[in-house]
Amino acid sequence: QSALTQPASVSGSPGQSITISCTGTSSDVRNYNYVSWYQQHPGKAPKLMIYDVTNRPSGVSNRFSGSKSGNTASLTISGLQAEDEADYYCSSYTSSSTLVFGGGTKLTVL
Amino acid sequence: EVQLVQSGAEVKKPGESLKISCKGSGYSFTSYWIGWVRQMPGKGLEWMGIIYPGDSDTRYSPSFQGQVTISADKSISTAYLQWSSLKASDTAMYYCGRHGGWLEPIGYWGQGTLVTVSS
Repeated sequence: QSALTQPASVSGSPGQSITISCTGTSSDVRNYNYVSWYQQHPGKAPKLMIYDVTNRPSGVSNRFSGSKSGNTASLTISGLQAEDEADYYCSSYTSSSTLVFGGGTKLTVL
Repeated sequence: EVQLVQSGAEVKKPGESLKISCKGSGYSFTSYWIGWVRQMPGKGLEWMGIIYPGDSDTRYSPSFQGQVTISADKSISTAYLQWSSLKASDTAMYYCGRHGGWLEPIGYWGQGTLVTVSS
């Protein structure tokens, strides 16, 4: 199956809010509330930031939030901080009983 | 503390075989699915497949079916990813991760194993 579609890059200034989109199809994002978001700093393993569309694992800042509408899920980061600069990947359960990742979005904090 | 420790970096030639490992500790290894994720140089994450160490039930992404083999030895709490004949295009970082349940998100990740295939 095809990767979920994410913008290649987004940017924002410290203190601002940004939103990263993740577009799929009726075979994944639209029909399942099993969208997750991962943060990956250079040279590091990914870290789970959001699961089941809106839930934050213990220890993840409440500046991170998730939502979904139709085929598109979104990750919003409010009060941007320098440490948020990283790559972000969405992931969804699929109708084929597999997982699929998005292509990734590079967040730059200006 | 849940930990997944992967084997070290490998440098191989095309056509060679390889088996990399992922050892779990700090939890019941047989009770959680372990997944493998590929990240090619400068590229994104790709989900490869998943195994349940309790009974070795294994599923693959269609993109990786037939290209790799995922296995586990529950007696030593270790999952494996193996190739029978490597290609240059297999050069990548490979991560293992513990899923919360069947295809649930990966909450714990290994540190990654870099595989370089070059003649």
